[in-house]
Amino acid sequence: DTEVTQTPKHLVMGMTNKKSLKCEQHMGHRAMYWYKQKAKKPPELMFVYSYEKLSINESVPSRFSPECPNSSLLNLHLHALQPEDSALYLCASRHLGRGNTIYFGEGSWLTVV
Amino acid sequence: GDSVTQMEGPVTLSEEAFLTINCTYTATGYPSLFWYVQYPGEGLQLLLKATKADDKGSNKGFEATYRKETTSFHLEKGSVQVSDSAVYFCALSSLNAGNNRKLIWGLGTSLAVNP
Repeated sequence: DTEVTQTPKHLVMGMTNKKSLKCEQHMGHRAMYWYKQKAKKPPELMFVYSYEKLSINESVPSRFSPECPNSSLLNLHLHALQPEDSALYLCASRHLGRGNTIYFGEGSWLTVV
Repeated sequence: GDSVTQMEGPVTLSEEAFLTINCTYTATGYPSLFWYVQYPGEGLQLLLKATKADDKGSNKGFEATYRKETTSFHLEKGSVQVSDSAVYFCALSSLNAGNNRKLIWGLGTSLAVNP
């Protein structure tokens, strides 16, 4: 079972709102990722967690705040976003120490109004 | 640094036509290579992968062979269907200076299959 579950599937938020995107996997993967994707473009890496610790932050603005509460969960907290932040946000995971395959969730479609 | 070059689309084919989407890469070491597919309105799905030279990945009638001598990983399918209409991304798995693994992506190729 190679399943990464993301909620919500769709989110509309105002520029002053605070919201969160959630991601869950039960494959025992200890690396988890957040990507941002604009239409028909390749995904852009935002954050990587390894063993629940932040290992990569690709210079993402502080209005995006990741959190990894445990080895199965990954959150992305959103605050004071801009309309240009509207995109598909993809969570992914990988088994550390066994294979290089990164598995993606279905994504959360975010619209900032 | 590592990079992936993928043929630009969009590609439009008739049903049952033969498909080739070219992908070449530049990398140090021996990366793993992947094709991901994104159907309209959906997330990314792993289509197939190859982890070493001469490996052939295959899935759903698609195939790609890891060619180290030509640094290529071209995607092929003998007979496409309307349901194959999607965006296809070639990617390689790369280690950065901090020993973190990340994917290096091609720009994606949009495929439209007409009945």
